[in-house]
Amino acid sequence: GAGVSQTPSNKVTEKGKYVELRCDPISGHTALYWYRQSLGQGPEFLIYFQGTGAADDSGLPNDRFFAVRPEGSVSTLKIQRTERGDSAVYLCASSQSAPTDTQYFGPGTRLTVL
Amino acid sequence: GENVEQHPSTLSVQEGDSAVIKCTYSDSASNYFPWYKQELGKRPQLIIDIRSNVGEKKDQRIAVTLNKTAKHFSLHITETQPEDSAVYFCAARGGNEKLTFGTGTRLTIIP
Repeated sequence: GAGVSQTPSNKVTEKGKYVELRCDPISGHTALYWYRQSLGQGPEFLIYFQGTGAADDSGLPNDRFFAVRPEGSVSTLKIQRTERGDSAVYLCASSQSAPTDTQYFGPGTRLTVL
Repeated sequence: GENVEQHPSTLSVQEGDSAVIKCTYSDSASNYFPWYKQELGKRPQLIIDIRSNVGEKKDQRIAVTLNKTAKHFSLHITETQPEDSAVYFCAARGGNEKLTFGTGTRLTIIP
């Protein structure tokens, strides 16, 4: 079956602009996660959704970052007033129902802020 | 929160030899430890995982061991092949239910 997909695969933007990154989880997976991966580092947790609600958003670095999952499937990560330090690969993962289940990752969106 | 340390950061082994990557964690409540393989420009892919109620798990050439007392776990790859070359990440799920990843090990298999 289809895995986790993310769009766009690459996004180049200018400092100060707004960006939206989209994640389509595996069908039927109720848990969805966003991570950020900087060069040479492991994925860093940002936010976890269980269904439509954010169960844990403690990893969001500041209030410029926001994520939604209005229908419990597709999720959008939104970054306002982008800064050069936001440049990274943003990874989405989904699992069947709980953090204890295997997390399957999408291919990521490479965000570059000029 | 959880803190995961991973060593070594780079590892080169001759094809056919074994590779071992080690991780330590800080949260004694951690109970789930996956290992992911990430090839250049690709997504992380789960290769094996272990839960805290077992000490060892094996899947063909790959095995993971867990020592809960010492709070460390290791990945063992035997009979390495060129396609094993990648970056490997360990992770631990702590009491806060978040996955915390190590900083990765770049494994190079020398033909």
